[in-house]
Amino acid sequence: GAGVSQSPSNKVTEKGKDVELRCDPISGHTALYWYRQSLGQGLEFLIYFQGNSAPDKSGLPSDRFSAERTGGSVSTLTIQRTQQEDSAVYLCASSLDSGNQPQHFGDGTRLSIL
Amino acid sequence: GESVGLHLPTLSVQEGDNSIINCAYSNSASDYFIWYKQESGKGPQFIIDIRSNMDKRQGQRVTVLLNKTVKHLSLQIAATQPGDSAVYFCADYNYGQNFVFGPGTRLSVLP
Repeated sequence: GAGVSQSPSNKVTEKGKDVELRCDPISGHTALYWYRQSLGQGLEFLIYFQGNSAPDKSGLPSDRFSAERTGGSVSTLTIQRTQQEDSAVYLCASSLDSGNQPQHFGDGTRLSIL
Repeated sequence: GESVGLHLPTLSVQEGDNSIINCAYSNSASDYFIWYKQESGKGPQFIIDIRSNMDKRQGQRVTVLLNKTVKHLSLQIAATQPGDSAVYFCADYNYGQNFVFGPGTRLSVLP
């Protein structure tokens, strides 16, 4: 497909488990962003990649959160030892380049921690 | 965009009327702005953008107005349709920092 693809679309897991979320950006887009969206809240920036490098990790809430991107394409966001407050929709976006370019979003992964 | 708390402001309009959704941003150095539409269970969808060297930009049934003096952005939707019902939010950008997204406004189109 032509859009940003995220998987899984829904994930339910028990507190304390690790989860891995995947994002497949639009082909040719060098910049990739991860956001978190809680009910009724604006988008919370987590991390962005330019190519395989992450110049800005400032939004990661704790050291339980990490992300990587390989081959300048697919990215994974990993949350270790999940807590109930991690429940949210995790959105990925990509853009042609970083900076003042439109970001195109996937439909997100809805994460529920029991 | 500015944070206005947990409760999304809601705008209800009659089908066929025009809608105006407003957004305030806080960074006077922001030079690029985007409006997104988000339907339930979906990711944000790009609607229209505008750069700070413009005051107005038109798309299909949508117009974005930028007032840099008061740091205000608006989205006008002409002849609002049921399919326009969604949450709309703005994002502003300035060089050296990431986009800042507002919490959004829920648009409800009444039959």
